[in-house]
Amino acid sequence: GAVVSQHPSWVICKSGTSVKIECRSLDFQATTMFWYRQFPKQSLMLMATSNEGSKATYEQGVEKDKFLINHASLTLSTLTVTSAHPEDSSFYICSPKRGDRVGGYTFGSGTRLTVV
Amino acid sequence: AQKVTQAQTEISVVEKEDVTLDCVYETRDTTYYLFWYKQPPSGELVFLIRRNSFDEQNEISGRYSWNFQKSTSSFNFTITASQVVDSAVYFCAIRGGADGLTFGKGTHLIIQP
Repeated sequence: GAVVSQHPSWVICKSGTSVKIECRSLDFQATTMFWYRQFPKQSLMLMATSNEGSKATYEQGVEKDKFLINHASLTLSTLTVTSAHPEDSSFYICSPKRGDRVGGYTFGSGTRLTVV
Repeated sequence: AQKVTQAQTEISVVEKEDVTLDCVYETRDTTYYLFWYKQPPSGELVFLIRRNSFDEQNEISGRYSWNFQKSTSSFNFTITASQVVDSAVYFCAIRGGADGLTFGKGTHLIIQP
């Protein structure tokens, strides 16, 4: 159980374009979705938390207008990096939370974004 | 606010040696969860263990073992008889309340043949 599908696994885009990353929970319903970012050789940092049908809550320092999060259903959440710039190049990982379960979280396989 | 400190940035050992990865955490929550994840070069996070704050019993899973001590706010991870396939970055993390995880900076473990 707890299968998470994240796409694409990697993407290269030109500066100024937008990129959409999808995260799907295949065998469970995710009431909450966490999005993390990991710069090379660094730790994972929580970017935002979204609940199905609600606006996302962003961590301090994360631009909500640049990183658009949509959590329209219990099995799909998307992160759109708008007007991407080279400094947005990073590894983005989603983590859906199963219902009201506490504790362990599953993670998507990650998306490596390179902006050139 | 929560914090996880992994003081060892990189550890290099020869295969078959035992190795311990340290993790020290800070939290004001009385109920919290501690985790260890492995991140191989592919980037995918591999879940290793979850421990809640009320369960201080140490755990062993094959060559892996974990030592949770609330008195010192530590949750250390030991690999016995290390293998080359154990080479990866290992993250310790904490969760309290309804928040996402707070990760340590990770320890890069290198197992030399």
